[in-house]
Amino acid sequence: DTAVSQTPKYLVTQMGNDKSIKCEQNLGHDTMYWYKQDSKKFLKIMFSYNNKELIINETVPNRFSPKSPDKAHLNLHINSLELGDSAVYFCASSQVGLSYEQYFGPGTRLTVT
Amino acid sequence: GQNIDQPTEMTATEGAIVQINCTYQTSGFNGLFWYQQHAGEAPTFLSYNVLDGLEEKGRFSSFLSRSKGYSYLLLKELQMKDSASYLCAVRYDGGYNNNDMRFGAGTRLTVKP
Repeated sequence: DTAVSQTPKYLVTQMGNDKSIKCEQNLGHDTMYWYKQDSKKFLKIMFSYNNKELIINETVPNRFSPKSPDKAHLNLHINSLELGDSAVYFCASSQVGLSYEQYFGPGTRLTVT
Repeated sequence: GQNIDQPTEMTATEGAIVQINCTYQTSGFNGLFWYQQHAGEAPTFLSYNVLDGLEEKGRFSSFLSRSKGYSYLLLKELQMKDSASYLCAVRYDGGYNNNDMRFGAGTRLTVKP
């Protein structure tokens, strides 16, 4: 059973389009995250979210918005896609607590043409 | 900022020992994680340090010196499958549940026969 799953694995789209990436975790974790990994392999946190509070990285454009229908899901919606949005997007989850590691999904490779 | 620095690339021989260093800014430090990431895959958790000293887990060990803002990951008895990127991640005060996690760019380790 996959702990953290994402769909789609690959996404190719044109500039200006709106797209969504879905994420689900079956670990019973309270907190979920979205990360962006660019071509230089830096992993940058975009959002951390539980069912009560959303923490936004201030550098993330407001074209990106997380949507959580329930505790096990955190989807990422992107409006007006730009070339610079091309990257691998990872969803992750963890238990609440400082010592708990994050479990990552397999990633979604987004290519904007 | 909270720069996290690690070497970009390292090469080692199968069966040998390799040490991957990580330095970080100490202000607001709240825990350090090491993750392994194979090419095209998701990061997976290796170790966690929050107190000074060495944590050992089989062939992998991680060390932390909070006063120096320094950690290392030690890999013993290297195997070909250890070829991967190793990401140093530091949790800083702030965000929900103090969950402001910052990643280094990763060290790409190549193990040669």
